[in-house]
Amino acid sequence: GAGVSQTPSNKVTEKGKYVELRCDPISGHTALYWYRQSLGQGPEFLIYFQGTGAADDSGLPNDRFFAVRPEGSVSTLKIQRTERGDSAVYLCASSFGSRGDEQYFGPGTRLTVT
Amino acid sequence: AQSVTQPDIHITVSEGASLELRCNYSYGATPYLFWYVQSPGQGLQLLLKYFSGDTLVQGIKGFEAEFKRSQSSFNLRKPSVHWSDAAEYFCAVVGGAGNMLTFGGGTRLMVKP
Repeated sequence: GAGVSQTPSNKVTEKGKYVELRCDPISGHTALYWYRQSLGQGPEFLIYFQGTGAADDSGLPNDRFFAVRPEGSVSTLKIQRTERGDSAVYLCASSFGSRGDEQYFGPGTRLTVT
Repeated sequence: AQSVTQPDIHITVSEGASLELRCNYSYGATPYLFWYVQSPGQGLQLLLKYFSGDTLVQGIKGFEAEFKRSQSSFNLRKPSVHWSDAAEYFCAVVGGAGNMLTFGGGTRLMVKP
């Protein structure tokens, strides 16, 4: 079956620009997670959705980052006024809604801010 | 807050040799523990997980891990490494009310022929 997909796979943008990263979760998964992985590091949690609502956004680094999941399926991570420090691989994962359920990861979007 | 430490950034082993990757966690209660593997150009794949019960858990691709509460460790092992095991390995923990993963920094495994 189809896994988690993310688009685009690569995004190059200039400092100060706005970007949107898309995540299509596995059908039927109620939970959706965004993580960020900088070079040589483990993924870091950004935000978690249960259905349409953000259950925990404590990992968002500042108010330039925002994410939505309006219909409880596809999610978009939005970054305003991008900075070079935002360059990283942005990973999306989905799971059934219970604690400890396996999270299935997408291939990621590599964001480069020049 | 929970945390995970993977002390070894790089490990090189010969093909056919045994492997142990170290993971130490910090969490007040019994955590949910995971090992993921990330191959170049591929997404993170779950190898195995521990919630409760038998402290020795078996995973895919011949991997196993042992939970040791007294040492706050969850080390990953494989008796005989194959060249295809070369990848980055991440230990992770779920703690607190949600299901968010806290990852360690990863261990890059290289396999010599």
